[in-house]
Amino acid sequence: GAVVSQHPSRVICKSGTSVKIECRSLDFQATTMFWYRQFPKQSLMLMATSNEGSKATYEQGVEKDKFLINHASLTLSTLTVTSAHPEDSSFYICSAEQHGYTFGSGTRLTVV
Amino acid sequence: DAKTTQPPSMDCAEGRAANLPCNHSTISGNEYVYWYRQIHSQGPQYIIHGLKNNETNEMASLIITEDRKSSTLILPHATLRDTAVYYCIVRGISGNTPLVFGKGTRLSVIA
Repeated sequence: GAVVSQHPSRVICKSGTSVKIECRSLDFQATTMFWYRQFPKQSLMLMATSNEGSKATYEQGVEKDKFLINHASLTLSTLTVTSAHPEDSSFYICSAEQHGYTFGSGTRLTVV
Repeated sequence: DAKTTQPPSMDCAEGRAANLPCNHSTISGNEYVYWYRQIHSQGPQYIIHGLKNNETNEMASLIITEDRKSSTLILPHATLRDTAVYYCIVRGISGNTPLVFGKGTRLSVIA
């Protein structure tokens, strides 16, 4: 079946630094990938739609200059959290569709 | 916004069937019902989906009412590893549109 690999699974960074999260489709090509954010005891909230070769589409309230998305190839999308602050601490999850949606294992970001 | 309503939590004894309900009264004729689950600190896992007929796979059964306004996910013999948050999602068949998650049902399987 389709596999989406997400890396890193866990990261701790200092406030003010940037963190890059990678999402790879391992055995299929994905022109579109989706990024979600999940705070403790809450549901997944869609952040943005990542489109290969074009700009990402962001959901209302998500700062595009803070959450940079790059989808440079058909198998890789990256989410960079720039100038991270403690309130950005969350669980970030990507997904792609190949005969159904497949999700990455998630990245737990802690900003200290 | 999510187009589904689920109870926030349920308990089930280990070895018994777990029946998780979902209301989707505004579902359109071309929209499918999907079920995913999320075990703590992991990405969501696909379980099953259906349009109007009942469906069964190795993980679960999906029962959709005739008017399609509600459905029930059945885990026939729940185990402790089935403890998770279960999400019922309504979505059309067209590609490249994201899944919209509601609050889901937190199922606790008890020994």
